[in-house]
Amino acid sequence: QVQLMQSGAEVKKPGASVKVSCEASGYAFTGYFMHWVRQAPGQGPEWMGRIDPNSGGTKYAQKFQGWVTMTRDTSISTAYMELRRLKSDDTAVYYCARGGYGNYFFGYWGQGTLVTVSS
Amino acid sequence: SYVLSQPPSVSVAPGQTARIICGGNNIGSKSVHWYQQKSGQAPVLVVYDDTDRPSGIPERFSGSNSGNTATLTISRVDAGDEADYYCQVWDRSSDHVVFGGGTKLTVL
Repeated sequence: QVQLMQSGAEVKKPGASVKVSCEASGYAFTGYFMHWVRQAPGQGPEWMGRIDPNSGGTKYAQKFQGWVTMTRDTSISTAYMELRRLKSDDTAVYYCARGGYGNYFFGYWGQGTLVTVSS
Repeated sequence: SYVLSQPPSVSVAPGQTARIICGGNNIGSKSVHWYQQKSGQAPVLVVYDDTDRPSGIPERFSGSNSGNTATLTISRVDAGDEADYYCQVWDRSSDHVVFGGGTKLTVL
């Protein structure tokens, strides 16, 4: 069965960077886009961008351009999301979510990674 | 950028029908997807491509989409349906995924 297993919770200071991983299993990793979505406390989901694990090509939400980097390692079926220059309002749960084949809904989600930014 | 609007809350008595709307400019021309999110959990897809249900989602969940409004309908609501519900589309012009702000469903 499809599973997305994310790395554990992180606590970071303002100005630092965080890198969250998402290990995929149960399907062909390179066959489906991987998206990253974050959700601040009490807020709705916010799409950050996606990566094509096959080519490594990325599309970032305009808000995160120049600030986020999404990468992947196909040898271990793992996607990564790095966010730099963290601020307190980047405190959120970060999810990876698998897109469908040729479509943009998310039938599979990771368990989420809580990133807390605090001095 | 494309904007999706949802009412913050909807309340319904058990056994009744809940309708959660999602507004957007000409949203009827897009494919709308709906998620249920319970406290502390990841979102769960309940309707995709306007009207389709993933396997395991009860037939009580249905969707429609026309004009400037998409609707998620939950029939015979029970306490287990109490959750936040989010609509989502892909905006082709910007190649961005967009989520609505969410609707909290309360079962009275």
